[in-house]
Amino acid sequence: DAKTTQPNSMESNEEEPVHLPCNHSTISGTDYIHWYRQLPSQGPEYVIHGLTSNVNNRMASLAIAEDRKSSTLILHRATLRDAAVYYCILRENYGGSQGNLIFGKGTKLSVKP
Amino acid sequence: DSGVTQTPKHLITATGQRVTLRCSPRSGDLSVYWYQQSLDQGLQFLIHYYNGEERAKGNILERFSAQQFPDLHSELNLSSLELGDSALYFCASSVGAGQVVHEQFFGPGTRLTVL
Repeated sequence: DAKTTQPNSMESNEEEPVHLPCNHSTISGTDYIHWYRQLPSQGPEYVIHGLTSNVNNRMASLAIAEDRKSSTLILHRATLRDAAVYYCILRENYGGSQGNLIFGKGTKLSVKP
Repeated sequence: DSGVTQTPKHLITATGQRVTLRCSPRSGDLSVYWYQQSLDQGLQFLIHYYNGEERAKGNILERFSAQQFPDLHSELNLSSLELGDSALYFCASSVGAGQVVHEQFFGPGTRLTVL
């Protein structure tokens, strides 16, 4: 699986938008971009995924660069509950990888009241 | 609540011992994945089963083994335990086996402490 690069940590204020960047310059045409987060003392939780177009769901938005070499997870209004480690993961859309996730170190997001 | 259950929540044992961790996937999910999370290695993929068959292996030690039963629950067996095996072990499930992108749902984990 291709590698991703994320900042080690970021800080945000409550109720403000948060933009979490991810670089994946070696992404292949078949790689989907996945985001998971892990709240303290919990298992990872799926956030969003996309291939080429920007994606929105109830949790977040995913903005994907035109060349797909970077992406940004957007939390529109951070809450204290959003404090977590956010992982950007590339995953092949073929059975060859069998679907397992390769986690990096992620970005630890702190949210200040 | 993800719908994935793991037992036990905590396990304390001694070096050299053998333990079994159990995972019940979400209803209808055929794929089960095991991950290990330690302070120094982070989250690492161990093994993936789909409908009873092993599909992929990651950084799983030879002392570790897993299986998925006909009712789709899975067990991870860890033997000849070492201090370095102390970690959180997560199970995740998803509907399919990779050809179509599927969200993975993680359980709450089993915390293993080897003394």
